[in-house]
Amino acid sequence: AQTVTQSQPEMSVQEAETVTLSCTYDTSENNYYLFWYKQPPSRQMILVIRQEAYKQQNATENRFSVNFQKAAKSFSLKISDSQLGDTAMYFCAFKNSGGSNYKLTFGKGTLLTVNP
Amino acid sequence: AAGVIQSPRHLIKEKRETATLKCYPIPRHDTVYWYQQGPGQDPQFLISFYEKMQSDKGSIPDRFSAQQFSDYHSELNMSSLELGDSALYFCASSLEGTGSYNSPLHFGNGTRLTVT
Repeated sequence: AQTVTQSQPEMSVQEAETVTLSCTYDTSENNYYLFWYKQPPSRQMILVIRQEAYKQQNATENRFSVNFQKAAKSFSLKISDSQLGDTAMYFCAFKNSGGSNYKLTFGKGTLLTVNP
Repeated sequence: AAGVIQSPRHLIKEKRETATLKCYPIPRHDTVYWYQQGPGQDPQFLISFYEKMQSDKGSIPDRFSAQQFSDYHSELNMSSLELGDSALYFCASSLEGTGSYNSPLHFGNGTRLTVT
């Protein structure tokens, strides 16, 4: 079974600064997908960014980028130019690429607070 | 764009009562998932359906059952409710069929169940 570990329960950053959230995972699969989801106080689950394991290039979505290190099984999220609206719980998630097991396995989450 | 629709948004039940949660996936999505998220917890996978057939099962109590109907909507039935069932219940959908790849899960806004 896959496991996802987020070692930072809480983090804070000043507005306009950069912050990096850590995530490691464990799997015996060679191909899979990784995601970061954001859950603001409204408790919606919002997709932030995705990465395919077979792609070496790190994914980027505007101010959000990842550092994917497949050999180290590491998948960190960098938020640049942090905004107050980035305050949320961030979940790292793992998804198999095949078979019938498509569910997401989540980490415990990192609560990010952006301070003015 | 159409999103995952969940109803009701809030539900209050007493212990030992039953509850039914409904989910309407994004059109053409072939896979539906149910997750339970307790306060301060990460979402826990309950059950999933691919093309109306159960595809995977997680930590779903025997008191709970779910199904997906011919129109692809899904219902989670919860009986003999306990105080510990109070949580946010998410439905998500994705497209996993032939030709699809890297399909993220799209989440509904959740149903907040309170058992008193």
